[in-house]
Amino acid sequence: DGGITQSPKYLFRKEGQNVTLSCEQNLNHDAMYWYRQDPGQGLRLIYYSQIVNDFQKGDIAEGYSVSREKKESFPLTVTSAQKNPTAFYLCASSLGQAGWGSPLHFGNGTRLTVT
Amino acid sequence: RKEVEQDPGPFNVPEGATVAFNCTYSNSASQSFFWYRQDCRKEPKLLMSVYSSGNEDGRFTAQLNRASQYISLLIRDSKLSDSATYLCVVANAGGTSYGKLTFGQGTILTVHP
Repeated sequence: DGGITQSPKYLFRKEGQNVTLSCEQNLNHDAMYWYRQDPGQGLRLIYYSQIVNDFQKGDIAEGYSVSREKKESFPLTVTSAQKNPTAFYLCASSLGQAGWGSPLHFGNGTRLTVT
Repeated sequence: RKEVEQDPGPFNVPEGATVAFNCTYSNSASQSFFWYRQDCRKEPKLLMSVYSSGNEDGRFTAQLNRASQYISLLIRDSKLSDSATYLCVVANAGGTSYGKLTFGQGTILTVHP
């Protein structure tokens, strides 16, 4: 079955450490996205990529970095510069551009806790 | 004013009840609309797209009112399994090549026996 896989499901890190969240999809989707979800707030876009070797900042990119070396993979690095990294991180993909109405398919998320 | 606003609830209804949620959006150029469902501590999943003429999928009916800039979701004959957070999502193709997808903060529904 096609889908999006995020790993790990839970991640614990000490403050000051960089951490990389994995996202892999086998849906053959061109577009991939990283969102952050905090309690009581809507999902906020961190980075998105429309095609391999290209990515753009979303609304809250500061303290994060991404790469898109393969169509299937879009890893997110949470750096020590991110002031409030503890959150639920969701990776998504879409066949077309989400802004043009193409629905998002989400991975099952990574819950990051930084202490 | 938030770009997309939902009543966070919670809505507590008995099984078999009919419940409706509204979602308002501020950008009149918005073009696509969706309802997603998110179970506790899980990822959102597409429930249904919202079409201009309104659309129905089983017990779920979605409607769009462009003049008043809101969308609605009606759930008939509520089941215990309908308990979840319902996210309103509005897409706007303007701006960047990606366009913009804006999520509401979600409406919590609890269906009790």
